[in-house]
Amino acid sequence: GNSVTQMEGPVTLSEEAFLTINCTYTATGYPSLFWYVQYPGEGLQLLLKATKADDKGSNKGFEATYRKETTSFHLEKGSVQVSDSAVYFCALSDSQAGTALIFGKGTTLSVSS
Amino acid sequence: GAGVSQSPSNKVTEKGKDVELRCDPISGHTALYWYRQSLGQGLEFLIYFQGNSAPDKSGLPSDRFSAERTGGSVSTLTIQRTQQEDSAVYLCASSLDTLTKLFFGSGTQLSVL
Repeated sequence: GNSVTQMEGPVTLSEEAFLTINCTYTATGYPSLFWYVQYPGEGLQLLLKATKADDKGSNKGFEATYRKETTSFHLEKGSVQVSDSAVYFCALSDSQAGTALIFGKGTTLSVSS
Repeated sequence: GAGVSQSPSNKVTEKGKDVELRCDPISGHTALYWYRQSLGQGLEFLIYFQGNSAPDKSGLPSDRFSAERTGGSVSTLTIQRTQQEDSAVYLCASSLDTLTKLFFGSGTQLSVL
C-alpha cells in the first residue's frame, strides 16, 4: 500500500540556518506529493506540491523536488526564520487509484533567534 | 461558507458514551476527508468521501467508528462506546477533487475521561 516516511523531529535550528526535512514514499501508482504545514494554534495548510517526477514545488522560500528514482520529496529552505517554526507533514495522493491523501507523522521544526 | 467548519470545537465525554462530530465542507467541494491527529501518531487517515462513490473506510480503526455524508455536503463522524485511546483531535478536510489541495477545519478536540 501507499505510505510516507519522514524524518523524526524535533528539528532545532538557529535563524538563517539551512533546513532539510527528509521524506520518502512508497506508492503503487504515480502519486502527487505534497508538503503541508501546521503553524502553532492554526489548522493545516498546503505549503507546496508536485504532481510528476522531476517537478519542483516551491512556496515561501521552501522547495521540494519530486525524485522518482529515490522515491523522495525532501523539503529544503536556505535560510529559516523564527516564523517558520511549525509542524511539517509530507503527504501523497494516488489519484489514479482514487485514494485519499496519506500523511507522514510530521516533523516539528523549532527556530530560535 | 468561507472555510471548513467543524463542531463542536471541544468535546469531553465519559468512557462508554457515544459522540457525534460534525463537518461542514466548503460549498462545491466533492471530496471530504476525516483524519485523527494525536501526539506521537501524526495524522491518521480515517475515511474519505468522493462524490457519489462508495466511501473509502479503510482507515477506520474499529467498528465503533462510522461516518456519513448526507446530500454530498455535511458529514458526521460517530464514535460509539468511546474509549480513552479515542482521545485526539479529529480533523475534517475538503477539496474540489483529489488532485487539488485540501482545506482543513480547525478540528474537534475529543477528550474521553
